[in-house]
Amino acid sequence: ELKVEQNPLFLSMQEGKNYTIYCNYSTTSDRLYWYRQDPGKSLESLFVLLSNGAVKQEGRLMASLDTKARLSTLHITAAVHDLSATYFCAVLITGTASKLTFGTGTRLQVTL
Amino acid sequence: NAGVMQNPRHLVRRRGQEARLRCSPMKGHSHVYWYRQLPEEGLKFMVYLQKENIIDESGMPKERFSAEFPKEGPSILRIQQVVRGDSAAYFCASSPSPGLDFYTDTQYFGPGTRLTVL
Repeated sequence: ELKVEQNPLFLSMQEGKNYTIYCNYSTTSDRLYWYRQDPGKSLESLFVLLSNGAVKQEGRLMASLDTKARLSTLHITAAVHDLSATYFCAVLITGTASKLTFGTGTRLQVTL
Repeated sequence: NAGVMQNPRHLVRRRGQEARLRCSPMKGHSHVYWYRQLPEEGLKFMVYLQKENIIDESGMPKERFSAEFPKEGPSILRIQQVVRGDSAAYFCASSPSPGLDFYTDTQYFGPGTRLTVL
């Protein structure tokens, strides 16, 4: 059974600081996604990573993928309050009918 | 292009009643997925459907839960005889047919239906 683990589960950081969220998964994956969820809201797609060494950046967020280590990271640069949300990684394995397996989520709180 | 639509957004049921959750995928999308999110947890896959076909229902509880995606109309997730443990947010996602967005197969999520069982 595929397992996807994120750490930390909760992260409180000050504005302007940098930090990294880690996503480990237990089996070979075809694609890895990062989503953002605000409280009481739906999921917003942030990144999709397709291959080993892939790096995507959007604003203060940068995601990378190491398929050999089965590890993805979401790096936050110079955090701002608007980034406060819960971030999920999700793994897709084709041949499993394209279902996503989600990590536990990292609740990020950026304080002033 | 409207996004994935779900209704109702909030649903309150008493134990033993039935809950019907509806999902209209994005225009041009023929794949629908249902996920459940318990409080303070990640999303768990329930079922994957294409028009008139259930492709994978490995995440569906064996009893009381069913899903369909008819040729016309929205996808429906039906929960019979609800219990308190069914209280959760239910999200629907859709994706294009392979070939239109093949390289990413990104699933786009609806706003969710928050089910509360009293």
